[in-house]
Amino acid sequence: KAGVTQTPRYLIKTRGQQVTLSCSPISGHRSVSWYQQTPGQGLQFLFEYFSETQRNKGNFPGRFSGRQFSNSRSEMNVSTLELGDSALYLCASSLGQDYGELFFGEGSRLTVL
Amino acid sequence: KQEVTQIPAALSVPEGENLVLNCSFTDSAIYNLQWFRQDPGKGLTSLLLIQSSQREQTSGRLNASLDKSSGRSTLYIAASQPGDSATYLCAVSSGSARQLTFGSGTQLTVLP
Repeated sequence: KAGVTQTPRYLIKTRGQQVTLSCSPISGHRSVSWYQQTPGQGLQFLFEYFSETQRNKGNFPGRFSGRQFSNSRSEMNVSTLELGDSALYLCASSLGQDYGELFFGEGSRLTVL
Repeated sequence: KQEVTQIPAALSVPEGENLVLNCSFTDSAIYNLQWFRQDPGKGLTSLLLIQSSQREQTSGRLNASLDKSSGRSTLYIAASQPGDSATYLCAVSSGSARQLTFGSGTQLTVLP
């Protein structure tokens, strides 16, 4: 059974650009969550989607957005990139029942120059 | 607001030693607690999930306990091996939000 797949694994952008990251959950999982990991702030929750609906959102500016498709795949977008957006972006999937076990992908490492 | 603390931040032990990693949380009204392992530059690997109604979970050489009333969890690793070297993170689900609150992790080094 394939795990959570994130693409791209690495990317470099410049300030002001935008980026789109993709996440394919484990087959049968309907919930996808996104987290940002930085050395200074650790792991912070971005948002969670279930059946194409955003169920919860963390404390991030509106430049961070996401969506989920009917096949449960999810994308997150960051517009007008800032240096501080450099981070490892992790996607996690779960079956979707409340407070179930989360399974994480390898992450997308974004560097903003 | 839920806060999760992990002590120590780093730990170095010789191979074969049994060890305990600690995790504490401020709000005892949790739904579950999950322990993860993270290797450098990699994603998170789920190790154990303890539901709020459970006291412990075991998987191979790993045993995690949960004491909700005191806001504490421990991860016990038996007969440590160099391959156990990684950062160990605990995370709790609590409140109305479907999200995990993470600790800052314990960086474990097992020396051959």
